[in-house]
Amino acid sequence: EADIYQTPRYLVIGTGKKITLECSQTMGHDKMYWYQQDPGMELHLIHYSYGVNSTEKGDLSSESTVSRIRTEHFPLTLESARPSHTSQYLCASRSLNGGPGGNEQFFGPGTRLTVL
Amino acid sequence: AQSVTQLGSHVSVSEGALVLLRCNYSSSVPPYLFWYVQYPNQGLQLLLKYTSAATLVKGINGFEAEFKKSETSFHLPKPSAHMSDAAEYFCAVSEETSYDKVIFGPGTSLSVIP
Repeated sequence: EADIYQTPRYLVIGTGKKITLECSQTMGHDKMYWYQQDPGMELHLIHYSYGVNSTEKGDLSSESTVSRIRTEHFPLTLESARPSHTSQYLCASRSLNGGPGGNEQFFGPGTRLTVL
Repeated sequence: AQSVTQLGSHVSVSEGALVLLRCNYSSSVPPYLFWYVQYPNQGLQLLLKYTSAATLVKGINGFEAEFKKSETSFHLPKPSAHMSDAAEYFCAVSEETSYDKVIFGPGTSLSVIP
């Protein structure tokens, strides 16, 4: 059973507000990811981290920022939300160890963000 | 460069009928391959994975997939669809040499008709 949590699950907010989407995992995984997914569409990687104090931008350009101060925590922040940010945001984590058992990603339940 | 294609963005089958979700990939080195399932308003859940051991891989919910290197495919058949199988299915690939990056396919939405 994966132990990765995201809060809030749903968020409706006005344009211009600053928001932080929380993601925490209790599996001790070094690697963490943020994906953006529009309804019925594929996942786009927007940020990832190899470990504490490591953050990288993903394949899809995003105005959001992330931080990794603790292994278990990987929050995503939007300084000024806009309607174009409306989407689902999925957080995932993965063990750094290679081999057959160490390559799958574990996903959180997602945060569905609506910016009015 | 890696890529994943899934033939058919929407698949509709009758309950009890055969389901076949298709996935083809491109990879220059031996890949790791995954199928994930996503139920409405939830995150992705691993269905099964291929990691260069047996080419026939069994997963949860009665699904299994066969890795065919010659066809660069990792299709997902199921002999008999259940209503509970209705969901979005994503095929994904990562490479042994850079397995920290996972490429997801566009997904196939499966509908099961009673």
